[in-house]
Amino acid sequence: DIQMTQSPSSLSASVGDRVTITCRASQNIASYLNWYQQKPGKAPKLLIYGASSLQSGVPSRFSGSGSGTDFTLTISSLQPEDSATFYCQQSYSTPFTFGGGTKVEIK
Amino acid sequence: QVQLQESGPGLVKPSETLSLTCTVSGGSISGYYWSWIRQPPGNGLEWIGYIYDSGTTIYNPSLKSRVTMSVDTSMNQVSLKLSSVTAADTAVYYCARRIYGSGSYYNDFWGQGTLVTVSS
Repeated sequence: DIQMTQSPSSLSASVGDRVTITCRASQNIASYLNWYQQKPGKAPKLLIYGASSLQSGVPSRFSGSGSGTDFTLTISSLQPEDSATFYCQQSYSTPFTFGGGTKVEIK
Repeated sequence: QVQLQESGPGLVKPSETLSLTCTVSGGSISGYYWSWIRQPPGNGLEWIGYIYDSGTTIYNPSLKSRVTMSVDTSMNQVSLKLSSVTAADTAVYYCARRIYGSGSYYNDFWGQGTLVTVSS
């Protein structure tokens, strides 16, 4: 199985801060990398697919980059509503595995 | 707007079979893959498997011996069965639509999830 390692596991930042979350795959997954946002008690919501494509309706402050084994999710200007847990997922090979999650809190 | 709704018993006894249904509205099941994903309370996400409208399935090897997925295109529903459950199968179970774009497969629409507790 492909292991997905996210860092950090949690962070606290202020409104307006630039926030970066990284995801590393245990092997080359090309651009088969997706990012999801999950708020407490809710289903995950797709933010980014194909490593860098923004899902329709998602604010442009979210962006993704990377290919191969190293990927990044960036929030350019953190907003109060961005408090959530973020997960990366590889869809390169089954079983499709998720990272352990990054919990983002607002200071 | 596609909407997905999971339904089924919220409590299942150990060693019995968990059965869930995902009803799709606002769009057709045909032509798409449908995924099941679960999340134990307070933990991360685990991919269970997916099914195509033809009935083709791919399961997570860690669950393969206990999982069965099926599709009913006339009812616009997909179903999940997980046999011989234990407390470790207690989780929120999600169904989601899987599509391809920009060099990746991804889940664009998700159900709200349903909590299944395994307990006697």
